[in-house]
Amino acid sequence: AQKVTQAQTEISVVEKEDVTLDCVYETRDTTYYLFWYKQPPSGELVFLIRRNSFDEQNEISGRYSWNFQKSTSSFNFTITASQVVDSAVYFCALGFSGGYQKVTFGIGTKLQVIP
Amino acid sequence: NAGVTQTPKFRVLKTGQSMTLLCAQDMNHEYMYWYRQDPGMGLRLIHYSVGEGTTAKGEVPDGYNVSRLKKQNFLLGLESAAPSQTSVYFCASRALIGAWDTEAFFGQGTRLTVV
Repeated sequence: AQKVTQAQTEISVVEKEDVTLDCVYETRDTTYYLFWYKQPPSGELVFLIRRNSFDEQNEISGRYSWNFQKSTSSFNFTITASQVVDSAVYFCALGFSGGYQKVTFGIGTKLQVIP
Repeated sequence: NAGVTQTPKFRVLKTGQSMTLLCAQDMNHEYMYWYRQDPGMGLRLIHYSVGEGTTAKGEVPDGYNVSRLKKQNFLLGLESAAPSQTSVYFCASRALIGAWDTEAFFGQGTRLTVV
């Protein structure tokens, strides 16, 4: 069975602090994809990143970075020098080849950045 | 470029009433999806479509029907609304470029309350 666990349901940080959102996944497949989406208070879901199982390189995009570790089945997301605009619910998701219908979403982590 | 547009954004229904949610995308995407988002449960797939005239069941299809008569539109119907269908509904679309090369684009959501 496929499962995505986001153990942190809510996190509060003070602006400019760094924060890491955890994502642990379970799958028996050897080929899979991991995603992060952001859901700001306005409600829409915004795609942040996709990583396939063959590519364990970490990625940095501005203040955002992602740490993919197959050994621990984790795909963690770090925001450096957080800003109020980062306040949102962040979803980690696990998908497989053969169609997006096989994507499993975590329950989300609500991040509040306090000014 | 509007992307994915959902209509309506808010709706209150009485138990037993019917309604249709409309999703329209202007990106010529082949794949379209309907999800529901409930507290503590992430996003769950209701139905999806891999092309005009085709639909398939997702994880939680009961109580819903869909139609995709035109490529750009994906309709979600509730024939007899129940309080358990109170949720936020998201439509998404994705291009077909290989099996897994593209991310999904989401609409802004429809908040439905069934009383």
